[in-house]
Amino acid sequence: EAQVTQNPRYLITVTGKKLTVTCSQNMNHEYMSWYRQDPGLGLRQIYYSMNVEVTDKGDVPEGYKVSRKEKRNFPLILESPSPNQTSLYFCASSHAKGPNGYNEQFFGPGTRLTVL
Amino acid sequence: GQQLNQSPQSMFIQEGEDVSMNCTSSSIFNTWLWYKQDPGEGPVLLIALYKAGELTSNGRLTAQFGITRKDSFLNISASIPSDVGIYFCAGQRGAQKLVFGQGTRLTINP
Repeated sequence: EAQVTQNPRYLITVTGKKLTVTCSQNMNHEYMSWYRQDPGLGLRQIYYSMNVEVTDKGDVPEGYKVSRKEKRNFPLILESPSPNQTSLYFCASSHAKGPNGYNEQFFGPGTRLTVL
Repeated sequence: GQQLNQSPQSMFIQEGEDVSMNCTSSSIFNTWLWYKQDPGEGPVLLIALYKAGELTSNGRLTAQFGITRKDSFLNISASIPSDVGIYFCAGQRGAQKLVFGQGTRLTINP
């Protein structure tokens, strides 16, 4: 089954304790992205990657890191989490180019993070 | 960062009613998209609009890409219980970069 998987689905942690949220896709997609969803703000892009070893900042990158060593994986790293990073996080993937200039992004199920 | 203005923020309707929501932006977008998010899941694409003025339907859903490329609306006709969820508009600028609206939470009374 074609899908985007995220782990963990739920995480409660404390300020300053490094954590990693994994994202994996089995559709051979070049493009992967991380979003955070907060009430009243919709989804905001954190980081994205157009292909292996190619990453770039989205709209809200502060406090986050990413890496893209393999095509299928795109982990999100919080080196020193703070309470304002409490949010619902989504990973998404897609092919990079399409006939109409946009390819449908497929979203993972989400990771709900609470930082105390 | 830039955001789209989506309205209304929430809707409470009776089953069978029609629904309308819209998004506006101060900037031009190449593509407008409408997503639906069910509880506990990620957003799923409903409709993609690629040309200014384009009107596209997907079953009971109809969406339009505004002529100015700065707005879009989504209509749902004859709502049913499974239409419950959060609807997001999104504009695309550049390669795969999306800007999302705040979402419209739809609640349906049976």
